[in-house]
Amino acid sequence: DGGITQSPKYLFRKEGQNVTLSCEQNLNHDAMYWYRQDPGQGLRLIYYSQIVNDFQKGDIAEGYSVSREKKESFPLTVTSAQKNPTAFYLCASSAGSIGEQFFGPGTRLTVL
Amino acid sequence: RKEVEQDPGPFNVPEGATVAFNCTYSNSASQSFFWYRQDCRKEPKLLMSVYSSGNEDGRFTAQLNRASQYISLLIRDSKLSDSATYLCVVNGKGTALIFGKGTTLSVSS
Repeated sequence: DGGITQSPKYLFRKEGQNVTLSCEQNLNHDAMYWYRQDPGQGLRLIYYSQIVNDFQKGDIAEGYSVSREKKESFPLTVTSAQKNPTAFYLCASSAGSIGEQFFGPGTRLTVL
Repeated sequence: RKEVEQDPGPFNVPEGATVAFNCTYSNSASQSFFWYRQDCRKEPKLLMSVYSSGNEDGRFTAQLNRASQYISLLIRDSKLSDSATYLCVVNGKGTALIFGKGTTLSVSS
């Protein structure tokens, strides 16, 4: 089955720790995205990548970092510099830059 | 004007009702328009793309008015399973899609 996988589904982190969220797709999509969703809020773009070895900051990149070493993978690291990291994190991919995006099931991060 | 604006609702309707959602967008250069559905604590899923000529998929009809910069979604004969949050999505400046905060629909028996 083609699709996007994210792991883990739930993640708990202590303050001051960095954590990395995994996102893998086998749809052969060039573009990949990371969003954050807070309760009752819309999706906010953290980072996106249109091609391997290249990525751009979204609206709320501070405290986050990404890499795109392979077409299939776009991991997100939530660093200790992110002041309020508890949220639902969604990864998406698309074939083109303005086409529909397909989402993974998300990772719920809770900072203890 | 916010980039993508939706009435948050909630819209509470009985089964069988017809309900319409509207969405306005600020970037007149936008080219791509979508409606996504998001169930509670799940990821958004594409419901339908929105084309200039309007398009229909079963009980769902989407329309685009470029002059007024708004998009609509009409759901006919509402089902219990239609209860969800509906996200209006427009491509913004550059390449990213901009997601509205969503309109919540609750269908009751």
